[in-house]
Amino acid sequence: GQQVMQIPQYQHVQEGEDFTTYCNSSTTLSNIQWYKQRPGGHPVFLIQLVKSGEVKKQKRLTFQFGEAKKNSSLHITATQTTDVGTYFCAGGQAGNNRKLIWGLGTSLAVNP
Amino acid sequence: DAGVIQSPRHEVTEMGQEVTLRCKPISGHNSLFWYRQTMMRGLELLIYFNNNVPIDDSGMPEDRFSAKMPNASFSTLKIQPSEPRDSAVYFCASSLRTSGRPYEQYFGPGTRLTVT
Repeated sequence: GQQVMQIPQYQHVQEGEDFTTYCNSSTTLSNIQWYKQRPGGHPVFLIQLVKSGEVKKQKRLTFQFGEAKKNSSLHITATQTTDVGTYFCAGGQAGNNRKLIWGLGTSLAVNP
Repeated sequence: DAGVIQSPRHEVTEMGQEVTLRCKPISGHNSLFWYRQTMMRGLELLIYFNNNVPIDDSGMPEDRFSAKMPNASFSTLKIQPSEPRDSAVYFCASSLRTSGRPYEQYFGPGTRLTVT
């Protein structure tokens, strides 16, 4: 079946360093969403990308959707301790837009 | 505005007992999702409803699991009988679908289930 692979599984950085997580789908996606889950919390929606090659920014976070709509990335510039958590990508299936296929997430730890 | 409400927040039960998890979606949302999260398997979609109708239950592990949505403001996920491998955090999420693309999902705080 359709899969969404996310790498790396874990990332440990020093505060101030940059961080990137990558998401790859086995099939073309209609859209991709990114969520953040703080330790002990629940996933919280960050952003949705729809267009091929789309790039969106939220302060220090930059989200990209690949030209082929099969991959995506989230880049955080100058990480802060408040960035700690697990970042999930979730892809909407072409032809079945109600169901999201979730990656396993990238857990980010930030050393102060 | 109230977000997605789940109860109970924590549940500890013995193997073989029935467990019922409850969810109240955000008012006005027309899609509801039940997820299970474990360290080993990550976030798994169990079932989702659109306008109170179950659309896809292919993620429901086995017949021990059942879900209902009797109206737009309430859903239950039942496990009978429960087993230790059912221990996980169960999330309910809701969203508003008005076009061809899925809108963001709003998650509840989750129910942490422990089956001993």
